Amino acid sequence: EIVLTQSPATLSLSPGERATLSCRASQSVSNHLAWYQQKPGQTPRLLMYPASSRATGVPARFSGSGSETDFTLTISSLEPEDFAVYYCQQRSNWRDTFGQGTKLEI
Amino acid sequence: EVQLVGSGGGLVKPGGSLRLSCAASGFSLSEYSMNWVRQAPGKGLEWVSSISATSTYIYYADSVRGRFTISRDNAKGSLYLQMNSLTAEDTAVYYCASGIVRGRDYWGQGTLVTVSS
Repeated sequence: EIVLTQSPATLSLSPGERATLSCRASQSVSNHLAWYQQKPGQTPRLLMYPASSRATGVPARFSGSGSETDFTLTISSLEPEDFAVYYCQQRSNWRDTFGQGTKLEI
Repeated sequence: EVQLVGSGGGLVKPGGSLRLSCAASGFSLSEYSMNWVRQAPGKGLEWVSSISATSTYIYYADSVRGRFTISRDNAKGSLYLQMNSLTAEDTAVYYCASGIVRGRDYWGQGTLVTVSS
């Protein structure tokens, strides 16, 4: 099983700041890495897949990078609506494991 | 409008069974691989099972293999999850979710399964 480790667990920032979230895989997943945003009481929202491609309708302030085992989600300038939990998910082998999440808080 | 509507959740005793369903509308289910993902109360997302578009490939998380069975009926636009030998650790909101195609995916609203005596 491919294990994804996200860091940090919690990230405390202010609107307008830059956020950098990390996801590390226990083995190579090539670029088959997705990022999701989840707000309380809502279903997850796809942000990026594959690793550096924004999903439909995702604002340009979100960007993804990385390949193989190390990935980063960057939010260039935080908006109030960006404070949420972010998950990475690998989709390299049909067993689509998730990371444990990073809570982005104000 | 694209919709995935999950149903079948509820309260069940340990050792019991439930069958979850997920009905698709507004898109062609047969074009997508499908997944079940769960989220225990206050916890993160956990992938449960995947099934390819024509049911050729099926995979399960270690935590449910041998107890859960995923299936689909493309003609009916439906996805299923048969859950047997349930334990308290299976208590969660269960989401059906499509594969990612052309930069988007679709999620059901989630159905709550509570395993308790």
